[in-house]
Formats: sequence, structure tokens, C-alpha cells
Amino acid sequence: GAGVSQSPRYKVTKRGQDVALRCDPISGHVSLYWYRQALGQGPEFLTYFNYEAQQDKSGLPNDRFSAERPEGSISTLTIQRTEQRDSAMYRCASMGGYNEQFFGPGTRLTVL
Amino acid sequence: AQKVTQAQTEISVVEKEDVTLDCVYETRDTTYYLFWYKQPPSGELVFLIRRNSFDEQNEISGRYSWNFQKSTSSFNFTITASQVVDSAVYFCALRGNSGGSNYKLTFGKGTLLTVNP
Repeated sequence: GAGVSQSPRYKVTKRGQDVALRCDPISGHVSLYWYRQALGQGPEFLTYFNYEAQQDKSGLPNDRFSAERPEGSISTLTIQRTEQRDSAMYRCASMGGYNEQFFGPGTRLTVL
Repeated sequence: AQKVTQAQTEISVVEKEDVTLDCVYETRDTTYYLFWYKQPPSGELVFLIRRNSFDEQNEISGRYSWNFQKSTSSFNFTITASQVVDSAVYFCALRGNSGGSNYKLTFGKGTLLTVNP
């Protein structure tokens, strides 16, 4: 596709459930990033990949959060045993050759 | 450590007024990149501009202009003759070029701009 796509756009889940958020980057973009944006705040870095290799996961809040990009294209961010504090907008971005990160529409996660 | 400060939380103007959004950054990197993104009410993040630290030339794109002042660590954004469609949250962001900062964006908290008809 022409831009970064994310699915689902909205996810409502109950506390304790696992969720998987998907990101499909711009075709040919090597680098893929995950950010989390709380209401009224700017996005905060979670993790990023070059091709299939996870280069940095220092922004992941705890070990309930994990991400993968097994074939160097689509990425999945998984949150296990969700908690209410996990509620936020989760944004994916991909970067081409000019240091510009292009963001997808985001997944709004609500944990009840 | 990287830091971006957008001191203006909210700005309200009347259509056709000019408005400037302030951004001040902190970094120890000698080379870095600065960005502005727009987040309209629909929620997506739209890339507006990238500026390299070694290029201090100001840029104009239609009604938008950006003033990069390395001496004051500022990268301000001006909208001339504002329109209702400019209403959005605007984020300034910084990406360093060394060590742990050479890939991720550090965002400010954003400025909510409301343009009233």
C-alpha cells in the first residue's frame, strides 16, 4: 500500500487478556518503529527493527510487552495480561532513506 | 539525553491570523534532525518537515514556514493566514545521531492549535 497501515484501528479488551497489534510498513522501508501515545502527550518510543532484527527494546515498559518482525516486513506488538494502564494509542512508523518516519493511523487500545 | 519542550499547551486564534508555535530542544549530539508533525482531530500523525542540524536555512512551504535557530536551540513553526483546517495538535520532535539516540524520535508534548472562524 501507499502508507503505513495498522490493525485493528480500535481494540477493547478486558483486563488480563492478551492483545496483538499489527503494523504493515511502507513497502521497501527497512526500519520499523513502535511508539505509544498517552492522551495529551507526545508519542514515546517503545522498540524498533531493522529488517527482522530488533535493534532496541529499551522503551518497552515491562516483560508483558514484546514485538517481532519475522520476515522483515509486517510487525506485531503483543501485550500479555493487559492492564488498564496499558490503554493508549499505539503507533507504528516506518522510515525510508531520508530519516523521515511516516506513521500509521494507530491502534486505540482500551483495557476495561 | 534528548529533550523537546513545547511550552505552549494551547493556542487559540481567529482565522487569517498568523500564529507561531514554539519548540526548544536539548541534545548533546553535534548532528541531529528536527521534525514537525501534525495530528488533526482524526488522530493520524502527518509528517510536515525534517531539518538537519547542519542546515540552518529557514524554509517556507505555502503558508507554513520554519525558523531554525541553532544558537537558541529553537525550531519554531509559523502558520500565516491561519485557516480552520489548521486546527490540530502540532508536535515537534528530535532525532539524535549517536549512541542510543540515533534512531528514535523524542517528541514534545504538543501544542493544540484552534483556529476559529
